[in-house]
Amino acid sequence: KAGVTQTPRYLIKTRGQQVTLSCSPISGHRSVSWYQQTPGQGLQFLFEYFSETQRNKGNFPGRFSGRQFSNSRSEMNVSTLELGDSALYLCASSQLQGAANEKLFFGSGTQLSVL
Amino acid sequence: TQLLEQSPQFLSIQEGENLTVYCNSSSVFSSLQWYRQEPGEGPVLLVTVVTGGEVKKLKRLTFQFGDARKDSSLHITAAQPGDTGLYLCAGAQTGFQKLVFGTGTRLLVSP
Repeated sequence: KAGVTQTPRYLIKTRGQQVTLSCSPISGHRSVSWYQQTPGQGLQFLFEYFSETQRNKGNFPGRFSGRQFSNSRSEMNVSTLELGDSALYLCASSQLQGAANEKLFFGSGTQLSVL
Repeated sequence: TQLLEQSPQFLSIQEGENLTVYCNSSSVFSSLQWYRQEPGEGPVLLVTVVTGGEVKKLKRLTFQFGDARKDSSLHITAAQPGDTGLYLCAGAQTGFQKLVFGTGTRLLVSP
């Protein structure tokens, strides 16, 4: 069974640009969550999608958005990039929606550098 | 506000030593998970503890959930270089449908 796939692995952008990251969950998993990981703040929850609908959202500005497609693949978009957006963006899939003790399967992440 | 504080932040030890990592909060959690993350990879779930006072063992790793379900510990016996990584605890709170991750403990085990 293939794991969670995130593309691209690395991305370099400049301030003001926008970026789209992609996540393909494990087959059969319908929930996809996104996290931002930085050395200073650790893992911070961005949002969760289930059946193409955003179910939960963390405390991030509106520049961070996402969507989920009918095949459960998800994308997240960051517009008007800032230096502080440099981070490892992790996607996690699970079978159920909203069950906080559900086992999460993480991808390897997309390392975003904003110059 | 960081709900889950882990200590220590960094730990560098020699192969064969024992260690304990702590995950503390003033909040009650319905369950708590421990993950290990290796460089360049995403976190991988090690264990989930649900009941206050619960102890789970995974080979040389022993996990304990506090009686009041506010804290947890991870004890590693006879650490090996393969144990090197970032250890993260993550708590689930009743009524909140997302995990809250701890600040992390970075462990380095040298041969």
